[in-house]
Amino acid sequence: GENVEQHPSTLSVQEGDSAVIKCTYSDSASNYFPWYKQELGKRPQLIIDIRSNVGEKKDQRIAVTLNKTAKHFSLHITETQPEDSAVYFCAANAGGTSYGKLTFGQGTILTVHP
Amino acid sequence: SAVISQKPSRDICQRGTSLTIQCQVDSQVTMMFWYRQQPGQSLTLIATANQGSEATYESGFVIDKFPISRPNLTFSTLTVSNMSPEDSSIYLCSVTDSSNYGYTFGSGTRLTVV
Repeated sequence: GENVEQHPSTLSVQEGDSAVIKCTYSDSASNYFPWYKQELGKRPQLIIDIRSNVGEKKDQRIAVTLNKTAKHFSLHITETQPEDSAVYFCAANAGGTSYGKLTFGQGTILTVHP
Repeated sequence: SAVISQKPSRDICQRGTSLTIQCQVDSQVTMMFWYRQQPGQSLTLIATANQGSEATYESGFVIDKFPISRPNLTFSTLTVSNMSPEDSSIYLCSVTDSSNYGYTFGSGTRLTVV
């Protein structure tokens, strides 16, 4: 089955700096890669996603890049703000189907210091 | 995206008892999933709830411990049976509509077994 590895487990940055979180996946059939933000005590919220037919997607300060050959994808947050502090999870779908189960990475605790 | 109502939001239960968690969606969805999130950990898939048939369980999870029902395309329940303190966790349902790849999460049920 799919295996998703996420690094780093914790990330501490100063406000205004950039943050990068990286994930690798094992199933070459995976074609959907979402990123979730989870604040303390709340549900995971989708912040950005990418499909395997594109290499990069951007939404304001957040971007995701995908390298299908190397089977890794990354989340980039620019101009970080204290409200970006949360746990971030990457995920990949199984079997390349649009309704396949998601496998999650281990999570990254991002702390943005004012 | 779909709106999910998950109940209860939290509960404290005695060991040896069972708790049923409900997930109601405001629209028909193709797939429904149940996840467990242990304290400080990532999301682990328990099972895929199949409409009108038995759920598909992931390795390490069995039907006798986590019976699941899905009588229609908008509703599912997860029961945590014969609970022990090790079952203390957050349980989340998730749904996806195959038309757009989007996966949405319920607000979660925080279970404490004493």
